[in-house]
Amino acid sequence: EVHLVESGGGLVQPGRSLRLSCTASGFTFGDYVVTWVRQAPERGLEWVGFIRIKAYGGTTEYAASVKGRFTISRDDSKRIAYLQMNSLKTEDTAVYYCARVYCSSSGCYIPHFDYWGQGTLVTVSS
Amino acid sequence: QSVLTQPPSASGTPGQRVTISCSGSSSNIGRNYVYWYQQLPGTAPKLLMYRNNQRPSGVPDRFSGSRSGTSASLAISGLRSEDEADYYCATWDDSLSGPVFGGGTKLTVL
Repeated sequence: EVHLVESGGGLVQPGRSLRLSCTASGFTFGDYVVTWVRQAPERGLEWVGFIRIKAYGGTTEYAASVKGRFTISRDDSKRIAYLQMNSLKTEDTAVYYCARVYCSSSGCYIPHFDYWGQGTLVTVSS
Repeated sequence: QSVLTQPPSASGTPGQRVTISCSGSSSNIGRNYVYWYQQLPGTAPKLLMYRNNQRPSGVPDRFSGSRSGTSASLAISGLRSEDEADYYCATWDDSLSGPVFGGGTKLTVL
């Protein structure tokens, strides 16, 4: 069974950094694109970024709101994707979800996010 | 303000049919597949519909999706109390080079 578990959330001051982890099980992690999506309190879903599989360079794409401050990486041997968040702002306060992007022999399809983690709360406040 | 426009709320009584709309543009819905997510209270989003009108395994056929031009819609027939949730549409936006979500529609079963 596919499982994704986020961890690393918590309370952090503005301007500081935090790293989230997304630990996967139940599938061949290295064969899938992983994305991060966040949800501010009482707000809608906002795409944060994604990381491609190693076969496509493991490259990343980000939303404009986080580009230059957030970095996604992956360690396929540990089955973990990371979201490094620097220069945090109060508006980054949200529940952060990682999700698996559906991939088939013909490619990976965004935003076809077929499995999601339970989310981890990040609160940016002084 | 979301790139995709959804009504903030919708409601219906048990057994009724309700429709949730999602309006976009030629750079997103007009040329890319639409996906729908259901988020039950206090839980993570769940994929409800993919490629405009395909249901993942386990999603009841009471749920159906469609796309026409730059708009899409999700229909729920035989409304049940457990359908009370937030619903989000999503698609790829060619201009933004990334996925976009609608603002979400809160469905209330009266």
